[in-house]
Amino acid sequence: KAGVTQTPRYLIKTRGQQVTLSCSPISGHRSVSWYQQTPGQGLQFLFEYFSETQRNKGNFPGRFSGRQFSNSRSEMNVSTLELGDSALYLCASSLDEGPGETQYFGPGTRLLVL
Amino acid sequence: AQSVTQLGSHVSVSEGALVLLRCNYSSSVPPYLFWYVQYPNQGLQLLLKYTSAATLVKGINGFEAEFKKSETSFHLTKPSAHMSDAAEYFCAVSEVGGFKTIFGAGTRLFVKA
Repeated sequence: KAGVTQTPRYLIKTRGQQVTLSCSPISGHRSVSWYQQTPGQGLQFLFEYFSETQRNKGNFPGRFSGRQFSNSRSEMNVSTLELGDSALYLCASSLDEGPGETQYFGPGTRLLVL
Repeated sequence: AQSVTQLGSHVSVSEGALVLLRCNYSSSVPPYLFWYVQYPNQGLQLLLKYTSAATLVKGINGFEAEFKKSETSFHLTKPSAHMSDAAEYFCAVSEVGGFKTIFGAGTRLFVKA
């Protein structure tokens, strides 16, 4: 089975722009979670989607949004980019068949905001 | 609210020595606990997880962790470090029905030859 894929892998944007990141989960996985990883804040939970519905959201401003499509692929969008949004954005998928489900992570999208 | 504390942002061991990475959690209900490893420029990979079965959990690459409810700990160990173990390790906790996983700040493991 192919793993979680994320596109693009690297991205450079300028302040004020917006960006859309894409995540394709492992085939059959219906839950997709997004995380932001920075040296200062570590791994922070952004949001989680299941069957096109957001089930949980982290403490990020409204500039961060996401969605999930019927094929479980997910996108996240960041509008009005700030320098502090520079980070590695990780996507993880899981089957969501029960408690303690294992998440499988993609390689991440590294975003640099100039 | 859930939280995870990893003691020591950096740990250095000699090759062949014991690896001990510490993790303490707080959770209002019995949690599910995980250890993940991240190699440079890669995503996270699951090492092992605790889901209320055996308290001693064995994972990949010779790692294991013991769930101690009385100490709210889930420390990761490996009897003999290998150079290839050099990476960053994350402890994480999730609760049933929470639909989110909270990660610790991570511990970077250095292995000296």
